[in-house]
Amino acid sequence: GAVVSQHPSWVICKSGTSVKIECRSLDFQATTMFWYRQFPKQSLMLMATSNEGSKATYEQGVEKDKFLINHASLTLSTLTVTSAHPEDSSFYICSAGPGPLGPFFGPGTRLTVL
Amino acid sequence: QKEVEQDPGPLSVPEGAIVSLNCTYSNSAFQYFMWYRQYSRKGPELLMYTYSSGNKEDGRFTAQVDKSSKYISLFIRDSQPSDSATYLCASKGTNAGKSTFGDGTTLTVKP
Repeated sequence: GAVVSQHPSWVICKSGTSVKIECRSLDFQATTMFWYRQFPKQSLMLMATSNEGSKATYEQGVEKDKFLINHASLTLSTLTVTSAHPEDSSFYICSAGPGPLGPFFGPGTRLTVL
Repeated sequence: QKEVEQDPGPLSVPEGAIVSLNCTYSNSAFQYFMWYRQYSRKGPELLMYTYSSGNKEDGRFTAQVDKSSKYISLFIRDSQPSDSATYLCASKGTNAGKSTFGDGTTLTVKP
């Protein structure tokens, strides 16, 4: 199957700082990637759809100025959590899929904001 | 009402049992149906992928889709402790469209 990577796998930061999470499709090109967050023992929550070369589409209730998404190439999308606060601590996962098969998920990034 | 509803569980079975995981969906436009397995603190892993109605088998796993009743199932034969995880069903209408996920069913297979 297709491989999606994320970096970093775990990040700890101080409140008020910004954190960037990278999502890469390693063996296919992805014009569309998806960003999710997941709290412990809860379901995936779609945050936004990342479109290569254009603005991301955010789900209702997700602050676009807080969660900045950049899809600069066909293999890379980034999520920046700006001015992070403890309530932003969560598991962030991206997904992408070549054609109809998938999507395939990255391994996730655990964000802890102190 | 959610577009994809999943039996909440949790589900606990003895090793070797046959497991049945089920979902229903409401959007008639859904054409692609997926099952994912997610271990704790990991990204979901695609297990099964089905287009339209029918059955698909892969080893101990069988995915079943009945579009007339909008019902999705995953069967696990000879369940193993390593199958203990959360299973997510998902559906989408188009190739590159966003997927709609169920809330997941947590399965525990006891040795």
